[in-house]
Amino acid sequence: NAGVTQTPKFQVLKTGQSMTLQCAQDMNHNSMYWYRQDPGMGLRLIYYSASEGTTDKGEVPNGYNVSRLNKREFSLRLESAAPSQTSVYFCASIMDPATNEKLFFGSGTQLSVL
Amino acid sequence: RKEVEQDPGPFNVPEGATVAFNCTYSNSASQSFFWYRQDCRKEPKLLMSVYSSGNEDGRFTAQLNRASQYISLLIRDSKLSDSATYLCVVEDWGYGQNFVFGPGTRLSVLP
Repeated sequence: NAGVTQTPKFQVLKTGQSMTLQCAQDMNHNSMYWYRQDPGMGLRLIYYSASEGTTDKGEVPNGYNVSRLNKREFSLRLESAAPSQTSVYFCASIMDPATNEKLFFGSGTQLSVL
Repeated sequence: RKEVEQDPGPFNVPEGATVAFNCTYSNSASQSFFWYRQDCRKEPKLLMSVYSSGNEDGRFTAQLNRASQYISLLIRDSKLSDSATYLCVVEDWGYGQNFVFGPGTRLSVLP
């Protein structure tokens, strides 16, 4: 059982380049999330998808776009990377956030923008 | 704005010590509370949910005070393997279905 698979694990970009972070879960979860984590700060929500076909902005959406391709996959795209987007990115999923279940996380992507 | 705040840490304690972490949250409407553990920038993993009556899981005890909007985590008989960052997490429906993470408190258990 793979859980949440996130790729790539590491990426270095130059300012202005674009890239897509991939996330897939095999647990039939409805809700999926993209967070970023910066030193000294908690995880901050970038975008989330409450169900297949829907996406919504979180706390820090500027500079990012997302696609909920199907129930399994939720991708995060940086159209024109900036040094301020250097961070560790985590994808997460949950069946129903209204219950007391746990979030399942991917292993993270360390992104550096030069 | 800081919705979830935690003790800044780090906490350096000897093996066998008892250590307590504190967390406060700003949204009085929050209903669900959790402690997650994160090792060395790896993904966070659920340590325990926090219930209104308080709950215990082995050496770990979580308490919730809704009136003070305060959550605590007590670790007894600390082990070297408890060294990690502990994240306080609060459900917050301000951004739809979201979980707000505190900045974390780092614990180092020393031999």
